[in-house]
Amino acid sequence: DSGVTQTPKHLITATGQRVTLRCSPRSGDLSVYWYQQSLDQGLQFLIQYYNGEERAKGNILERFSAQQFPDLHSELNLSSLELGDSALYFCASSEEGSATEAFFGQGTRLTVV
Amino acid sequence: GQNIDQPTEMTATEGAIVQINCTYQTSGFNGLFWYQQHAGEAPTFLSYNVLDGLEEKGRFSSFLSRSKGYSYLLLKELQMKDSASYLCAVRDRGTDKLIFGTGTRLQVFP
Repeated sequence: DSGVTQTPKHLITATGQRVTLRCSPRSGDLSVYWYQQSLDQGLQFLIQYYNGEERAKGNILERFSAQQFPDLHSELNLSSLELGDSALYFCASSEEGSATEAFFGQGTRLTVV
Repeated sequence: GQNIDQPTEMTATEGAIVQINCTYQTSGFNGLFWYQQHAGEAPTFLSYNVLDGLEEKGRFSSFLSRSKGYSYLLLKELQMKDSASYLCAVRDRGTDKLIFGTGTRLQVFP
C-alpha cells in the first residue's frame, strides 16, 4: 500500500458526461501529480499541484481541470467525455524536494461508452 | 521540454541478466527514476539516480551518465515475476514534475 488513495476504482459513463476523480495523497506529501495511461501506452503527465497551487502543466485538454484543496486532496474533473478519454488515471504524491520518489495510487479506470 | 526514449519490448530467459536502456533530453535535469509496472496496476518505485554512477539494490541496479543523457536498469537472476513494464522517468528542475518514457515491456520466459 503506497498510502495514496484514489476513488473510485472503476467508472463507466456515457459520452458527453462529466466525472470527478479524487485523490488523497500520502500524509505529509505536498505535491500531487495526475497522469493518464491509455491502453498499452505510457504515463502521460497531465498536471501537478504543490500545496494548493498549480505548479506544472502537461498535455491536459481544456475539457479537463484539476484542483488541490487546503487539506491537500486533489480532484481531476473530466467533462464532455469522449470515447478516447477511456484510460487509467493515476494520481501520485511526493514530499517536497527533488530527491524523493513519487508514490502512486491504484488508479481509476474510466470507461466511456 | 523533455524527450525520453526506451525500447518498446524486450525478452529474456529466467535466470539471465537483462539491461534496459533509457536516453533522455531535458532542459533541466534533477534526477532519474526507474519504476516497475505490472499490467493494470500502479507503478512502483525501483531506483533513483541523480549523480553519475551505479546504484545497486539487490537484483536491480541502475546507472546514470548525465553528460550522455543515458541511464540503464540492470536486472539480474531474472524471475518470471519480473515480467512487467519498466518505466524511465526524469524529474524536471524547478517544477519537480516527473516525466515518464513510454516504458519497456519485458517478458521473461522459462
